[in-house]
Amino acid sequence: QVQLVQSGAEVKKPGASVRISCKASGYTFTSYNMHWVRQAPGQGLEWIGMINPSGGSTNYARKLQGRVSMTGDTSTTTVYMDLSSLTFEDTAVYYCARDRGTMLRLGYYFDYWGQGTLVSVSS
Amino acid sequence: DIQMTQSPSSLSASVGDRVTITCRASQTTSDYLNWYQQRPGKAPKLLIYAASGLQSGVPSRFSVSGSGTDFTLTISSLQPEDFATYYCQQGSTTPLTFGQGTKVEAK
Repeated sequence: QVQLVQSGAEVKKPGASVRISCKASGYTFTSYNMHWVRQAPGQGLEWIGMINPSGGSTNYARKLQGRVSMTGDTSTTTVYMDLSSLTFEDTAVYYCARDRGTMLRLGYYFDYWGQGTLVSVSS
Repeated sequence: DIQMTQSPSSLSASVGDRVTITCRASQTTSDYLNWYQQRPGKAPKLLIYAASGLQSGVPSRFSVSGSGTDFTLTISSLQPEDFATYYCQQGSTTPLTFGQGTKVEAK
């Protein structure tokens, strides 16, 4: 069965960086794009960006470009999201999500999600 | 960017009620419009993809209508497990964008 298992909660100070991992299993890792979505406390969902694990190409939200980086390791079927220069506004639950839509040429949509990783930015 | 607007932001309903949530896009989504359900403390769950596809395992009481820029999610007979927040998401172009959510609460 498809599983996306994320790394644990992080507490960071403003200005620091964080790396979150998302280990995929139960499917062909390189066949599906992976996206990252975040949710600030009590707020809605915000798209961060995506990575094609096959070739490594990425596409980031304009708002976070320059601070976000996504990479994939095909040997461990894991994708990583790095976010630098953290501010209080980056406090959120971060989700990885598998994109089935582009695989089926039905746009972008997410059929499996990780359990979420809480990143707290606090001084 | 395509802006997604849901209405209402919240609603109160009882088990057995028919519930309707609307989602409007600022420009056409080419019918790449998806719906998710999120229960508190949980990851979102895909309900509907590409405007009309019912995700495997999702009960048939969930249905959708609409095209282009205006879409509706209907729950025909609300069940206890349906009290949650619902999000629409356009899957047409990046940046991908979500509606602000509709919270369905018990009356």
